Amino acid sequence: DIQMTQSPSSLSASIGDRVTITCRASQNVTTFLNWYRQKPGKAPDLLIYATSSLQSGDTSRFSGRGSGTDFTLTISNLQPEDLATYYCQQTYGTPRTFGQGTRVEIK
Amino acid sequence: QVHLVQSGAEVKKPGASVKVSCKASGYIFITYYIHWVRQAPGQGLEWMGFIYPRDGSQTLAQKLQGRVTMTRDTSTNTVYMELNSLRSEDTAVYYCARERVAGSGRDFDSWGQGALVTVSS
Repeated sequence: DIQMTQSPSSLSASIGDRVTITCRASQNVTTFLNWYRQKPGKAPDLLIYATSSLQSGDTSRFSGRGSGTDFTLTISNLQPEDLATYYCQQTYGTPRTFGQGTRVEIK
Repeated sequence: QVHLVQSGAEVKKPGASVKVSCKASGYIFITYYIHWVRQAPGQGLEWMGFIYPRDGSQTLAQKLQGRVTMTRDTSTNTVYMELNSLRSEDTAVYYCARERVAGSGRDFDSWGQGALVTVSS
């Protein structure tokens, strides 16, 4: 199985800050890497697909980069509505494994 | 517009079974895999497996093999996930999600609202 490791597990930042979450795969997943946002009490929703494509309807404050085994999700100009847990997921292989999540809090 | 609507919350005793449904609308049902993902209280997302509605074939997480079955009803565009021999550690919110395939990747582009299953004596 492909293991996904996210860091940090949580972070606290101020409104307007730029934050970056890292995701590392235990083997090459090419660009088959997605990011999901889960707001408290809600189902996850797709944020970034295929490493760097922004899901329609989402703000361009979110961006994804990487390839192979190392990936990042960056949130620019952090806003109160960004309070959530963010998960990476690889879909290169089966099982479709998720990272353990990064909780983003607002100072 | 794609919608996945799941059945409601369930409370079950240890050793019992639970069957959660996921009704799809807004797209051609048989052409997209449906995955199941669960989330224990305060924990992360755990992939459980998927079913291909066209032929009913399924691929399951190794740790759940023997306890989980995924089926579909193409007349109602509904997928079912049945989990047997329930234990307290199966207490979780169970989500269904549609897998979209694009040239450079695959993703879960639509999710159900979740169904809380509580296992308690």
